[in-house]
Amino acid sequence: EPEVTQTPSHQVTQMGQEVILRCVPISNHLYFYWYRQILGQKVEFLVSFYNNEISEKSEIFDDQFSVERPDGSNFTLKIRSTKLEDSAMYFCASSIRGQSEAFFGQGTRLTVV
Amino acid sequence: GQQVMQIPQYQHVQEGEDFTTYCNSSTTLSNIQWYKQRPGGHPVFLIQLVKSGEVKKQKRLTFQFGEAKKNSSLHITATQTTDVGTYFCAGFFMTTDSWGKLQFGAGTQVVVTP
Repeated sequence: EPEVTQTPSHQVTQMGQEVILRCVPISNHLYFYWYRQILGQKVEFLVSFYNNEISEKSEIFDDQFSVERPDGSNFTLKIRSTKLEDSAMYFCASSIRGQSEAFFGQGTRLTVV
Repeated sequence: GQQVMQIPQYQHVQEGEDFTTYCNSSTTLSNIQWYKQRPGGHPVFLIQLVKSGEVKKQKRLTFQFGEAKKNSSLHITATQTTDVGTYFCAGFFMTTDSWGKLQFGAGTQVVVTP
């Protein structure tokens, strides 16, 4: 069964460093999302992406965040200068159509120290 | 802002009992989806409701979408230990200039006692 793949599974970084979280969505999907989940809390929307541009972003997704689809398969989330409060599980998701079911990856646990 | 509220936050159930989790939005939803997240796992899609008043069943799970498309519920009958996890509702808001964002509720964490 096709699945969304995220790497790495766990990333530890120093405060102020840049991180790139990588995702390979399901191959025929066209709509992509990033979410984050602080331990035990809700799944928070960060950004949605379609046709090589951001469709919607939340207030969390400030200038420190960016997304890119550098080739036909990868979808990345970059955090330019990490803060302690960026520590969370980051989930990538994709869907075949707008507003259809989203398939989530296993997540990347980001720990900022 | 566009938010999806979900209650209860926590549900402790005896095996064999029924329970219901509720989801409400302040504005009309285009559709609503339900996801389940097992401890340490990722959200997994359960179902999508699109039509006003829609009711769908999956074995012991019954999902409803309100007539005004602002609320939804998930009812589980005869709870089993395999039902443990957090159940999230997630709604797409109707916007005119984009295909919308899938906004998650806070989730209902379900613990089942044998």
